[in-house]
Amino acid sequence: QQQVKQSPQSLIVQKGGISIINCAYENTAFDYFPWYQQFPGKGPALLIAIRPDVSEKKEGRFTISFNKSAKQFSLHIMDSQPGDSATYFCAASFLSGGYNKLIFGAGTRLAVHP
Amino acid sequence: KAGVTQTPRYLIKTRGQQVTLSCSPISGHRSVSWYQQTPGQGLQFLFEYFSETQRNKGNFPGRFSGRQFSNSRSEMNVSTLELGDSALYLCASSSGGAGEQYFGPGTRLTVT
Repeated sequence: QQQVKQSPQSLIVQKGGISIINCAYENTAFDYFPWYQQFPGKGPALLIAIRPDVSEKKEGRFTISFNKSAKQFSLHIMDSQPGDSATYFCAASFLSGGYNKLIFGAGTRLAVHP
Repeated sequence: KAGVTQTPRYLIKTRGQQVTLSCSPISGHRSVSWYQQTPGQGLQFLFEYFSETQRNKGNFPGRFSGRQFSNSRSEMNVSTLELGDSALYLCASSSGGAGEQYFGPGTRLTVT
């Protein structure tokens, strides 16, 4: 019940295209949903995050869409660039509980071809 | 502000030995969390320290332990190393309450 399921495992997108990564969760107590980007040899970097009282959040080319009833959320990368090639992780946490414990999805390896 | 720093960056140990990893959080951050990253299990939460107290603990054996000092720096210790402990150990800091966590570059531990 604390799992976060992420798909697809890998994704190939052409430069300029839209990359879409999906995540689903079971525990309705989760109230904080961040996305992290990780390059080889680096630690994960916080990209964008959303709370369940908002259905969409946009920061530059990155957008999170959140569907509370379906218990799903997704990351959209518009105008994907080769520099976006990295592994992306969704995560969930219990913000209101004061818990800094992130439950991560398995990750999506994105390759953007020029 | 300087980011989260972790030392050492790389470490090779032998089965049965013990190891201590260090993490310095972002200045002003009081919460430090530790995660283990492996190809098979992904990113898994180990524990979190806040104001020198362990606030949360993941599902890892007692061989994994940690502590936090008054300056918020944290150490993680693994005793009686096993081959399966080979992983990237990541430290993340946040300002205090639950919220945005910022990760360091990790310590790559190889157990032979």
